[in-house]
Amino acid sequence: DAEITQSPRHKITETGRQVTLACHQTWNHNNMFWYRQDLGHGLRLIHYSYGVQDTNKGEVSDGYSVSRSNTEDLPLTLESAASSQTSVYFCASNPPRGKCNEQFFGPGTRLTVL
Amino acid sequence: SQKIEQNSEALNIQEGKTATLTCNYTNYSPAYLQWYRQDPGRGPVFLLLIRENEKEKRKERLKVTFDTTLKQSLFHITASQPADSATYLCALAPEGAAGNKLTFGGGTRVLVKP
Repeated sequence: DAEITQSPRHKITETGRQVTLACHQTWNHNNMFWYRQDLGHGLRLIHYSYGVQDTNKGEVSDGYSVSRSNTEDLPLTLESAASSQTSVYFCASNPPRGKCNEQFFGPGTRLTVL
Repeated sequence: SQKIEQNSEALNIQEGKTATLTCNYTNYSPAYLQWYRQDPGRGPVFLLLIRENEKEKRKERLKVTFDTTLKQSLFHITASQPADSATYLCALAPEGAAGNKLTFGGGTRVLVKP
């Protein structure tokens, strides 16, 4: 079955280190999104991509970057991790102009920056 | 700036009763509104979508209304069951290509007691 996976599921890192969170989907969806979820803020969009080589900044993109070299993957990189980036990160995807544009979410990555 | 508000207080409800959740928005003209369910430790799962020109949508025991004049959506779970206990998120999207980009509310936690 087609699916969307994230790895690792849990990560502890230190301030200043570079961290990359992986997101892989097998639906062949053009659109992919990265969100962070924090208490009191809900889901906030970090970056998104509408296809290969396309990346766009979301609401809270500072300190994060993404690259889209193929349809299946959208890795999220924290260039220099900060304690404020401790959060749960969700990747999502959907097809362009789908029937109802619902987004399909991965299981999340819990990141702790010490 | 755009703002989407959901009741941050948990909704405790007795099994069999109807749970009603609200989603209010300001400075936004969404083309459609979606509702998602999120269980602890998991990614959100799409439930329903309602378009701006629709007043009401139903799916099994779920009902959603959308009032663009009041800038509000109501989400009802009828004949609630303990298995309905979860956090429910509303999300708004504009029309067009940007319609793939969702803005989420903070979510309301529902606890159905047997």
